[in-house]
Amino acid sequence: GESVGLHLPTLSVQEGDNSIINCAYSNSASDYFIWYKQESGKGPQFIIDIRSNMDKRQGQRVTVLLNKTVKHLSLQIAATQPGDSAVYFCAEVGGSTLGRLYFGRGTQLTVWP
Amino acid sequence: ETGVTQSPTHLIKTRGQQVTLRCSSQSGHNTVSWYQQALGQGPQFIFQYYREEENGRGNFPPRFSGLQFPNYSSELNVNALELDDSALYLCASSLASGGYTDTQYFGPGTRLTVL
Repeated sequence: GESVGLHLPTLSVQEGDNSIINCAYSNSASDYFIWYKQESGKGPQFIIDIRSNMDKRQGQRVTVLLNKTVKHLSLQIAATQPGDSAVYFCAEVGGSTLGRLYFGRGTQLTVWP
Repeated sequence: ETGVTQSPTHLIKTRGQQVTLRCSSQSGHNTVSWYQQALGQGPQFIFQYYREEENGRGNFPPRFSGLQFPNYSSELNVNALELDDSALYLCASSLASGGYTDTQYFGPGTRLTVL
């Protein structure tokens, strides 16, 4: 089955700095990826998605980069704020079940004032 | 807020018991998926229901079962609870049509503890 993993389990940044969270995936046939943010005591919240026909997609303060050659995703958060502190997951959409999500372990982002 | 609610928030059961968890999807969403999230891990797919029929299952035994109702609510039932069933259970609703699915919206989860 699909395997989605993250390079670092924790990331600490200073408020105002940029954050980069990385993710590797193993299924080269995957064509849709999503980043989720999960705050303590809450369910995952959609941040941004990207399809395999794109290399980059930008949202509000967030950018996702997709490198299909090395099967790598990254989430960049500009001007990181304390409210960005959470666990971030990349999820791969695939399999025979429509919309089934395959999640990695997650990266805990901590933003220091 | 996502418009997806789950109940109860927390639940404590003992090994061997049965439990029913509930989810209320966004109005109009015809698809609900259930995930199990162990502490420190990413959510793992349990199964999905589309228009009240099971539409795919992950690597979970048959004692995990579900129902989806016409009023956009659904249930996850777990029989013969084991200690390893202790986890956060998440439901996610979405609208699927024409072979594509819209963004999945997650509820806040039910924290199940099995003693």
